[in-house]
Amino acid sequence: KQEVTQIPAALSVPEGENLVLNCSFTDSAIYNLQWFRQDPGKGLTSLLLIQSSQREQTSGRLNASLDKSSGRSTLYIAASQPGDSATYLCAATYNFNKFYFGSGTKLNVKP
Amino acid sequence: EAQVTQNPRYLITVTGKKLTVTCSQNMNHEYMSWYRQDPGLGLRQIYYSMNVEVTDKGDVPEGYKVSRKEKRNFPLILESPSPNQTSLYFCASSFGVRAEAFFGQGTRLTVV
Repeated sequence: KQEVTQIPAALSVPEGENLVLNCSFTDSAIYNLQWFRQDPGKGLTSLLLIQSSQREQTSGRLNASLDKSSGRSTLYIAASQPGDSATYLCAATYNFNKFYFGSGTKLNVKP
Repeated sequence: EAQVTQNPRYLITVTGKKLTVTCSQNMNHEYMSWYRQDPGLGLRQIYYSMNVEVTDKGDVPEGYKVSRKEKRNFPLILESPSPNQTSLYFCASSFGVRAEAFFGQGTRLTVV
């Protein structure tokens, strides 16, 4: 059974700190892994998509890595800002026509 | 602007009154799907569609119907809503399940 886990469930950091969010998955035969951001009461905004053949993707202050052998992906946020406060979700896709979502990490960046 | 549009954004209805939540995308995506998000349960897939006239059940299809008569639209139909269908609903689309997914803004449904 495909399961995706995100730890920690919540994280509070001071502004300016670099931080890492973790995502683990049980089945290493993934097609890709996507990171999303969700603001309260809002939809999901795609941040980064890593294909199974890739090791990492970068966009601005965000860097996502993928290690299929260990079943892990990390989202690195550099120089965090209060505007980064949101819930971050990872989702893995397999050959089953759907996304398997983690339960999310709620990030609070304090000014 | 590339987007997935859901309507309505908020809906309060009574048990048993049929309703439809619309979803439309302007990116010519083949793949569309519906999810519901509940506290403690995360996002769960309701139905998905690989292309026009091709739909299939996800993990929690009971009490829902969908149709895909046009590529851009994928409405979610609740024939007889019940309180346990109170949830936050998301529509998503992509060029395929392996491609980047785009989500709508969500529909918060309350069934009383």
